[in-house]
Amino acid sequence: QSALTQPASVSGSPGQSITISCSGSSSDVGGYTYVSWYQQHPGKAPKLMISDVSNRPSGVSNRFSGSKSGNTASLTISGLQAEDEADYYCSSYTSSSTWVFGGGTKLTVL
Amino acid sequence: QVQLVESGGGVVQPGRSLRLSCAASGFTFSGYGMHWVRQAPGKGLEWIAFISYDGSKKWYADSVEGRFTISRDISKNTLYLQMNSLRPEDTAVYFCARHNTGDYSCDYWGQGTLVTVSS
Repeated sequence: QSALTQPASVSGSPGQSITISCSGSSSDVGGYTYVSWYQQHPGKAPKLMISDVSNRPSGVSNRFSGSKSGNTASLTISGLQAEDEADYYCSSYTSSSTWVFGGGTKLTVL
Repeated sequence: QVQLVESGGGVVQPGRSLRLSCAASGFTFSGYGMHWVRQAPGKGLEWIAFISYDGSKKWYADSVEGRFTISRDISKNTLYLQMNSLRPEDTAVYFCARHNTGDYSCDYWGQGTLVTVSS
């Protein structure tokens, strides 16, 4: 149950776009569409931003989008805003009937 | 609206036990699977346990298998996590989360409860 691999940090200026990658294996990310992304502000609970690789739950801005290619999923945030500054985690269901999270990516809006 | 409220955290000595609760409201608790996810101080999220809507399936992370037990009481709309043989590395904020049956995501989360394992 190794954690999915995410970059430790990314940054961008307001209005720009950034992409966060999430690398796994054929036993998790590559084997299922059950890939989700969560946003977490300091001291707060995580919030679901993307499910099923690319679906946005009701209420989530369309500036957030998800995709997957092979064993790597990606989260793209366009039109960066100050409020997007947070930690982001990917997650996937696995062939062991468990779930695994990525190590998390700290997004800094410059 | 969906609400999940964890309780039961606190300071406990290594080797001792603790039971966490997660009170659910705003949805039909008996129709959803539930998860426990934890976050050590300054660290990332770690999934630790899942229970199916009817309690028939329980899955655990290797790190807690054999020490932690997830359960639910439909009559009380409450999810539990029984934690035995606690270790210092179990120190974390523990979140409960609702399982989305369609996409296997954690679609709603509680605010978390802090467990500190220390002598």
